[in-house]
Amino acid sequence: GAVVSQHPSRVICKSGTSVKIECRSLDFQATTMFWYRQFPKKSLMLMATSNEGSKATYEQGVEKDKFLINHASLTLSTLTVTSAHPEDSSFYICSARDWGQGIGGYTFGSGTRLTVV
Amino acid sequence: AQTVTQSQPEMSVQEAETVTLSCTYDTSESDYYLFWYKQPPSRQMILVIRQEAYKQQNATENRFSVNFQKAAKSFSLKISDSQLGDAAMYFCAYVLNNNDMRFGAGTRLTVKP
Repeated sequence: GAVVSQHPSRVICKSGTSVKIECRSLDFQATTMFWYRQFPKKSLMLMATSNEGSKATYEQGVEKDKFLINHASLTLSTLTVTSAHPEDSSFYICSARDWGQGIGGYTFGSGTRLTVV
Repeated sequence: AQTVTQSQPEMSVQEAETVTLSCTYDTSESDYYLFWYKQPPSRQMILVIRQEAYKQQNATENRFSVNFQKAAKSFSLKISDSQLGDAAMYFCAYVLNNNDMRFGAGTRLTVKP
């Protein structure tokens, strides 16, 4: 089945630095990928939708200058948290749409736990 | 606004028994899809079952089945013969117009041996 690889699984960074999270579809082309944020014991909140070759669409309230999304190829989307602060600490999950699977073709990465110290 | 509501923050079931998790949603769209995902402690999202809104027949996947009531905008998940491995967070989700997926707040299921 479809596999989405997300790296790193855990990252600790210093406040003020930037960190990049990669989301890669391994065996299918993902023209659309989604980025979610999940707080402890909470639901997944959609941050943005990225489409290959175009600008990402951000949800209301998500700072696009802080959370930079790049979807430069059909298999890779990246989320860069710029000038990270402790309040950005969270669990980030990506999802890729595999149109070949029809409506059920949403595959999730294993997530990235970001800790900003 | 489109919303998904899971009114049960926590549920508990005895091993081998049956449990039903509730989910309601609000949309004016006619074309949409509904899902149940399981998130174990590893936090990997695992698809449990999905339902196309245009289909009247309730989806079934082994011990998991749904009760889809379109008029009532209800989409409950029934887990039969509960197993210890079923313990997890369960999220109800929908997709409108083949677009992004939105989730409910989740229900934490505990399975007692």
